[in-house]
Amino acid sequence: DTGVSQDPRHKITKRGQNVTFRCDPISEHNRLYWYRQTLGQGPEFLTYFQNEAQLEKSRLLSDRFSAERPKGSFSTLEIQRTEQGDSAMYLCASSFRDRGALETQYFGPGTRLLVL
Amino acid sequence: TQLLEQSPQFLSIQEGENLTVYCNSSSVFSSLQWYRQEPGEGPVLLVTVVTGGEVKKLKRLTFQFGDARKDSSLHITAAQTGDTGLYLCAGVGAGGTSYGKLTFGQGTILTVHP
Repeated sequence: DTGVSQDPRHKITKRGQNVTFRCDPISEHNRLYWYRQTLGQGPEFLTYFQNEAQLEKSRLLSDRFSAERPKGSFSTLEIQRTEQGDSAMYLCASSFRDRGALETQYFGPGTRLLVL
Repeated sequence: TQLLEQSPQFLSIQEGENLTVYCNSSSVFSSLQWYRQEPGEGPVLLVTVVTGGEVKKLKRLTFQFGDARKDSSLHITAAQTGDTGLYLCAGVGAGGTSYGKLTFGQGTILTVHP
Protein backbone atom coordinates (compact mmCIF):
# COMPACT_ATOMS: atom_id res chain seq x y z
CA ASP A 1 0.00 0.00 0.00
CA THR A 2 1.32 3.41 -0.96
CA GLY A 3 -0.32 5.46 1.78
CA VAL A 4 -3.07 8.04 1.77
CA SER A 5 -3.64 9.70 -1.59
CA GLN A 6 -5.53 12.87 -2.41
CA ASP A 7 -6.75 14.23 -5.69
CA PRO A 8 -6.28 16.80 -7.05
CA ARG A 9 -3.07 18.09 -5.48
CA HIS A 10 -3.84 21.64 -6.56
CA LYS A 11 -7.07 23.40 -7.49
CA ILE A 12 -7.60 26.98 -8.64
CA THR A 13 -11.18 28.12 -8.92
CA LYS A 14 -13.21 31.30 -9.16
CA ARG A 15 -15.31 32.55 -6.30
CA GLY A 16 -18.79 31.05 -6.40
CA GLN A 17 -17.78 27.79 -8.08
CA ASN A 18 -18.16 24.36 -6.50
CA VAL A 19 -15.16 22.10 -5.93
CA THR A 20 -14.83 18.48 -4.87
CA PHE A 21 -11.78 16.77 -3.41
CA ARG A 22 -11.17 13.05 -3.10
CA CYS A 23 -9.24 11.10 -0.48
CA ASP A 24 -8.24 7.44 -0.75
CA PRO A 25 -7.19 6.14 2.68
CA ILE A 26 -4.86 3.28 3.50
CA SER A 27 -6.87 0.14 2.81
CA GLU A 28 -8.54 -1.43 5.85
CA HIS A 29 -8.29 1.82 7.83
CA ASN A 30 -11.69 2.36 9.36
CA ARG A 31 -11.28 6.02 10.28
CA LEU A 32 -10.91 8.93 7.89
CA TYR A 33 -10.35 12.54 8.93
CA TRP A 34 -10.48 15.86 7.08
CA TYR A 35 -8.46 18.89 8.24
CA ARG A 36 -7.92 22.38 6.86
CA GLN A 37 -4.58 24.16 7.12
CA THR A 38 -3.74 27.76 6.26
CA LEU A 39 -0.20 28.85 5.50
CA GLY A 40 2.17 28.57 8.47
CA GLN A 41 -0.55 27.32 10.83
CA GLY A 42 -1.45 23.95 12.27
CA PRO A 43 -4.22 21.85 10.73
CA GLU A 44 -7.76 22.40 12.03
CA PHE A 45 -10.14 19.48 12.38
CA LEU A 46 -13.15 19.56 10.05
CA THR A 47 -14.85 16.17 10.27
CA TYR A 48 -14.25 12.45 10.53
CA PHE A 49 -15.79 9.13 9.62
CA GLN A 50 -15.69 5.73 11.20
CA ASN A 51 -16.43 3.39 8.32
CA GLU A 52 -19.24 5.16 6.44
CA ALA A 53 -20.67 7.01 9.47
CA GLN A 54 -19.79 10.69 9.91
CA LEU A 55 -19.27 10.94 13.68
CA GLU A 56 -18.31 14.55 14.26
CA LYS A 57 -18.33 17.84 12.39
CA SER A 58 -16.50 20.97 13.45
CA ARG A 59 -18.33 24.27 13.66
CA LEU A 60 -15.78 25.37 11.04
CA LEU A 61 -17.72 23.23 8.58
CA SER A 62 -20.36 25.64 7.29
CA ASP A 63 -23.43 24.62 5.32
CA ARG A 64 -21.41 25.03 2.14
CA PHE A 65 -19.19 22.10 3.10
CA SER A 66 -20.26 18.48 2.83
CA ALA A 67 -18.29 15.28 3.19
CA GLU A 68 -19.19 11.71 2.35
CA ARG A 69 -17.69 8.28 2.68
CA PRO A 70 -20.37 6.20 0.99
CA LYS A 71 -18.81 2.74 1.13
CA GLY A 72 -16.46 3.24 4.02
CA SER A 73 -13.46 3.48 1.72
CA PHE A 74 -12.70 6.70 -0.19
CA SER A 75 -14.15 10.03 0.87
CA THR A 76 -15.11 13.25 -0.89
CA LEU A 77 -15.20 16.78 0.47
CA GLU A 78 -17.32 19.25 -1.50
CA ILE A 79 -17.32 23.01 -1.08
CA GLN A 80 -20.21 24.83 -2.68
CA ARG A 81 -20.16 28.51 -3.68
CA THR A 82 -16.49 28.87 -2.80
CA GLU A 83 -15.26 32.05 -1.08
CA GLN A 84 -11.76 33.50 -0.97
CA GLY A 85 -11.57 32.55 2.70
CA ASP A 86 -11.81 28.89 1.68
CA SER A 87 -8.29 29.09 0.21
CA ALA A 88 -6.22 26.61 2.21
CA MET A 89 -4.62 23.17 2.18
CA TYR A 90 -7.19 20.43 2.76
CA LEU A 91 -5.61 17.40 4.40
CA CYS A 92 -6.99 13.90 4.71
CA ALA A 93 -5.76 11.33 7.22
CA SER A 94 -6.69 7.74 7.91
CA SER A 95 -6.21 5.42 10.85
CA PHE A 96 -7.26 2.07 12.27
CA ARG A 97 -9.31 2.45 15.40
CA ASP A 98 -8.72 -0.49 17.70
CA ARG A 99 -10.12 -0.09 21.21
CA GLY A 100 -7.38 0.18 23.79
CA ALA A 101 -4.55 0.73 21.31
CA LEU A 102 -2.82 3.96 20.39
CA GLU A 103 -4.25 5.34 17.16
CA THR A 104 -1.89 6.75 14.55
CA GLN A 105 -3.19 8.97 11.78
CA TYR A 106 -1.42 8.86 8.44
CA PHE A 107 -1.76 12.02 6.41
CA GLY A 108 -2.06 12.45 2.69
CA PRO A 109 -0.15 15.15 0.77
CA GLY A 110 -3.15 17.48 0.79
CA THR A 111 -5.10 19.41 -1.82
CA ARG A 112 -4.14 23.07 -2.05
CA LEU A 113 -7.14 25.21 -2.98
CA LEU A 114 -6.88 28.77 -4.26
CA VAL A 115 -10.09 30.72 -4.72
CA LEU A 116 -9.71 33.80 -6.92
CA THR B 1 -12.54 24.31 23.92
CA GLN B 2 -9.20 22.57 24.13
CA LEU B 3 -6.33 24.72 22.93
CA LEU B 4 -2.65 24.05 22.35
CA GLU B 5 -0.20 26.95 22.42
CA GLN B 6 3.15 26.41 20.72
CA SER B 7 6.19 28.62 21.12
CA PRO B 8 8.12 30.06 19.53
CA GLN B 9 6.21 30.49 16.30
CA PHE B 10 9.41 31.06 14.30
CA LEU B 11 12.93 29.85 14.99
CA SER B 12 15.95 30.67 12.84
CA ILE B 13 19.26 29.16 13.94
CA GLN B 14 22.68 28.12 12.66
CA GLU B 15 23.63 24.53 12.01
CA GLY B 16 25.01 22.91 15.15
CA GLU B 17 22.94 24.92 17.62
CA ASN B 18 20.44 23.42 20.05
CA LEU B 19 16.80 24.44 20.27
CA THR B 20 13.64 23.75 22.24
CA VAL B 21 10.03 24.06 21.14
CA TYR B 22 7.26 24.21 23.74
CA CYS B 23 3.66 23.07 23.61
CA ASN B 24 1.22 24.04 26.37
CA SER B 25 -2.38 23.02 26.78
CA SER B 26 -5.28 24.39 28.78
CA SER B 27 -6.53 20.85 29.35
CA VAL B 28 -5.44 17.24 29.56
CA PHE B 29 -5.28 15.00 26.51
CA SER B 30 -5.07 11.22 26.45
CA SER B 31 -1.71 11.56 24.72
CA LEU B 32 0.30 14.12 22.81
CA GLN B 33 1.97 13.76 19.45
CA TRP B 34 4.68 15.66 17.61
CA TYR B 35 4.69 15.93 13.83
CA ARG B 36 7.05 17.37 11.24
CA GLN B 37 5.71 18.79 8.00
CA GLU B 38 7.60 19.82 4.89
CA PRO B 39 6.21 22.31 2.33
CA GLY B 40 3.55 20.77 0.09
CA GLU B 41 3.29 17.58 2.14
CA GLY B 42 1.15 16.27 4.98
CA PRO B 43 2.42 16.06 8.58
CA VAL B 44 4.48 13.00 9.48
CA LEU B 45 4.31 11.58 12.99
CA LEU B 46 7.56 11.76 14.98
CA VAL B 47 6.49 10.49 18.40
CA THR B 48 3.57 9.87 20.74
CA VAL B 49 3.94 10.52 24.48
CA VAL B 50 1.36 9.06 26.81
CA THR B 51 2.54 9.01 30.41
CA GLY B 52 3.10 12.10 32.55
CA GLY B 53 6.83 12.70 32.97
CA GLU B 54 7.68 10.52 29.98
CA VAL B 55 10.85 11.24 28.01
CA LYS B 56 11.44 9.78 24.55
CA LYS B 57 14.53 10.10 22.40
CA LEU B 58 14.71 9.82 18.66
CA LYS B 59 18.36 10.28 17.61
CA ARG B 60 19.02 14.02 18.18
CA LEU B 61 15.40 14.74 19.17
CA THR B 62 14.22 14.52 22.79
CA PHE B 63 10.54 14.73 23.66
CA GLN B 64 9.17 15.35 27.15
CA PHE B 65 5.62 15.13 28.47
CA GLY B 66 4.86 17.16 31.57
CA ASP B 67 3.85 15.45 34.81
CA ALA B 68 0.33 16.86 34.54
CA ARG B 69 0.08 15.78 30.87
CA LYS B 70 -0.74 19.34 29.80
CA ASP B 71 2.58 20.44 28.35
CA SER B 72 5.34 19.01 26.24
CA SER B 73 8.65 20.02 24.73
CA LEU B 74 10.78 19.02 21.78
CA HIS B 75 14.53 19.53 22.07
CA ILE B 76 16.85 19.18 19.08
CA THR B 77 20.57 18.83 19.69
CA ALA B 78 23.09 19.99 17.09
CA ALA B 79 20.51 21.02 14.51
CA GLN B 80 21.13 20.19 10.87
CA THR B 81 19.80 21.87 7.72
CA GLY B 82 17.66 18.78 7.14
CA ASP B 83 15.74 19.59 10.34
CA THR B 84 14.18 22.61 8.63
CA GLY B 85 10.40 22.38 8.58
CA LEU B 86 7.17 23.00 10.43
CA TYR B 87 6.94 21.24 13.79
CA LEU B 88 3.48 20.59 15.16
CA CYS B 89 2.26 19.30 18.48
CA ALA B 90 -1.17 17.69 18.62
CA GLY B 91 -3.32 16.58 21.52
CA VAL B 92 -5.22 13.33 21.08
CA GLY B 93 -8.86 13.36 22.18
CA ALA B 94 -9.70 11.24 25.17
CA GLY B 95 -13.22 9.94 24.95
CA GLY B 96 -16.58 9.63 23.25
CA THR B 97 -16.74 10.71 19.64
CA SER B 98 -13.60 12.81 20.22
CA TYR B 99 -11.47 9.72 20.83
CA GLY B 100 -8.49 9.91 18.48
CA LYS B 101 -9.36 13.38 17.16
CA LEU B 102 -6.30 15.62 16.92
CA THR B 103 -6.12 19.21 18.13
CA PHE B 104 -3.04 20.87 16.69
CA GLY B 105 -0.97 23.76 17.95
CA GLN B 106 -0.24 26.57 15.52
CA GLY B 107 3.18 25.15 14.73
CA THR B 108 6.81 26.26 14.90
CA ILE B 109 8.57 27.07 11.65
CA LEU B 110 12.21 26.05 12.08
CA THR B 111 14.89 27.23 9.67
CA VAL B 112 18.41 25.89 10.10
CA HIS B 113 21.06 27.83 8.19
CA PRO B 114 24.31 26.20 7.02
